[in-house]
Amino acid sequence: GAGVSQSPSNKVTEKGKDVELRCDPISGHTALYWYRQSLGQGLEFLIYFQGNSAPDKSGLPSDRFSAERTGGSVSTLTIQRTQQEDSAVYLCASSRGANQPQHFGDGTRLSIL
Amino acid sequence: QKEVEQDPGPLSVPEGAIVSLNCTYSNSAFQYFMWYRQYSRKGPELLMYTYSSGNKEDGRFTAQVDKSSKYISLFIRDSQPSDSATYLCAMSGGFNAGKSTFGDGTTLTVKP
Repeated sequence: GAGVSQSPSNKVTEKGKDVELRCDPISGHTALYWYRQSLGQGLEFLIYFQGNSAPDKSGLPSDRFSAERTGGSVSTLTIQRTQQEDSAVYLCASSRGANQPQHFGDGTRLSIL
Repeated sequence: QKEVEQDPGPLSVPEGAIVSLNCTYSNSAFQYFMWYRQYSRKGPELLMYTYSSGNKEDGRFTAQVDKSSKYISLFIRDSQPSDSATYLCAMSGGFNAGKSTFGDGTTLTVKP
């Protein structure tokens, strides 16, 4: 499809397990963003990629969170040793560049039991 | 204090009403302003994108930016039940040019 694709759409896992969330941006978009949205809350910025590099990692909540982007396209957000407070919707967005409008996927709903 | 403040609502209006949604911000470096609509269990969808001060109209939607007051608005004319959603403002520019700062969203219900 032409939009941002995220997988899985839902993920339920046990506390302490590692999870990987995937984002396929719109073709040709050089910038990619990860956000976290808790129930009824706004968007919490996690990390921003320009190409394969991450000039801004300031939003990652702890060292359990990491992200990478390869080939200037697909990105993976990894959460190690998950905690219950990690339960949220993780949204990915892409744009043509900095300050360009971002286009979002429908997110991965993560539940930690 | 948050960089971007947005009244969370909820806001309930009858069908056909004019809706006004607003955000204020504190960072004078912001130059790009966006409005997104988010339906339940969906990602935010871009509605409007504006640069600097002024007005922009797209169908039933009008975005206004007043940089001198650090205040932006989204107006929805002839509101429809399908407009019921959460509306998020976002802005970017300055030192953190790579990322946007979002408001927490206003929940709107348009009643038939």
